[in-house]
Amino acid sequence: NAGVTQTPKFRVLKTGQSMTLLCAQDMNHEYMYWYRQDPGMGLRLIHYSVGEGTTAKGEVPDGYNVSRLKKQNFLLGLESAAPSQTSVYFCASSYISGKSSYNEQFFGPGTRLTVL
Amino acid sequence: GESVGLHLPTLSVQEGDNSIINCAYSNSASDYFIWYKQESGKGPQFIIDIRSNMDKRQGQRVTVLLNKTVKHLSLQIAATQPGDSAVYFCAENRKEYGNKLVFGAGTILRVKS
Repeated sequence: NAGVTQTPKFRVLKTGQSMTLLCAQDMNHEYMYWYRQDPGMGLRLIHYSVGEGTTAKGEVPDGYNVSRLKKQNFLLGLESAAPSQTSVYFCASSYISGKSSYNEQFFGPGTRLTVL
Repeated sequence: GESVGLHLPTLSVQEGDNSIINCAYSNSASDYFIWYKQESGKGPQFIIDIRSNMDKRQGQRVTVLLNKTVKHLSLQIAATQPGDSAVYFCAENRKEYGNKLVFGAGTILRVKS
């Protein structure tokens, strides 16, 4: 199993350009997440999905959109990139817990995005 | 312990010594906690987890302690090795946002040979 994969690994954009980050997982997980990580900070949740065809906002959703058309893929879009979106982006997935919370999330290797 | 901002706390230990990394969490309703390890240029990697109905859990060379009274977690690494050098994050699980994990800012562990 490849686990969680992300493409691309690196990208440089100019302000106002758009792009899509792709996340794929082969573990048949229901839940998927997009985080951003900035220097000296923990990960912050951008958007998440609890199943195919469903998405929801996290802590810092502004400027991003997502889609989950297939269970194994979760796409993160930037419609008009801004320098404040320069960050490292991580995708994660997890399986549905039983009765209690149990949410080990498996992370991809990250995408380093620079917006000039 | 954990802090927010550009300067992460750093723990330097000698190879072979034990390491203790601390974390304070914020929500008394959180019922599940995870420690992640992140090496440079990589995504976070699961180390160990603990549910709120436990005080202690042991893995291979690692132990997590949970003190719910003061909302404190610690990660103990026995016989620390150079390969343990990384940033360590604690995360608490919250049921809003689809069982959201809220991450601390991280602690840098440096192992001296």
